[in-house]
Amino acid sequence: GAVVSQHPSRVICKSGTSVKIECRSLDFQATTMFWYRQFPKQSLMLMATSNEGSKATYEQGVEKDKFLINHASLTLSTLTVTSAHPEDSSFYICSAWDRVGETQYFGPGTRLLVL
Amino acid sequence: GEDVEQSLFLSVREGDSSVINCTYTDSSSTYLYWYKQEPGAGLQLLTYIFSNMDMKQDQRLTVLLNKKDKHLSLRIADTQTGDSAIYFCAESMGGKLIFGQGTELSVKP
Repeated sequence: GAVVSQHPSRVICKSGTSVKIECRSLDFQATTMFWYRQFPKQSLMLMATSNEGSKATYEQGVEKDKFLINHASLTLSTLTVTSAHPEDSSFYICSAWDRVGETQYFGPGTRLLVL
Repeated sequence: GEDVEQSLFLSVREGDSSVINCTYTDSSSTYLYWYKQEPGAGLQLLTYIFSNMDMKQDQRLTVLLNKKDKHLSLRIADTQTGDSAIYFCAESMGGKLIFGQGTELSVKP
């Protein structure tokens, strides 16, 4: 299957700092990428849909000024958690939409811990 | 509304078959998916089925789709300890995936 990478895989930061997470589709072009958040023992919660060359579409209840998304190319989307607080600690997973296969391929996730 | 439901836990013995069930709500979903998540990892696409199919088999995996009842199942034959993980079904809706809560499969030796 197609490969999606995320970087970093794990990050620990101090409260008030910003953290950038990268999501790359390695062997296909993705005009659409998705960002999810997953709490322990729970399902994935869609945060936003990232479209190449346009503004991201955020789900209800997700603060767009706190979770900045940039989809600058067909293979890269970034999620920046601004002024992170302990309640932002979570597992963040991205996915990339493969239009040819009509399938979403997921990255390995980034575990964020805010102290 | 959007709701995909799965049972939360399933325990089987190694070598037995596992059947994980899922119900979904949107009859217009084009594709339905099964993903596997191991601890601390992302989601791995296991298989998917097009909505006009009743069954799809891929090695040890068999997907059954009952569109009338909006019921999807994943059967894993000859379940191994390495199959222990959380399994998510998902329906596509407007380009987005709507996930179930996940079924934690525990395989006992």
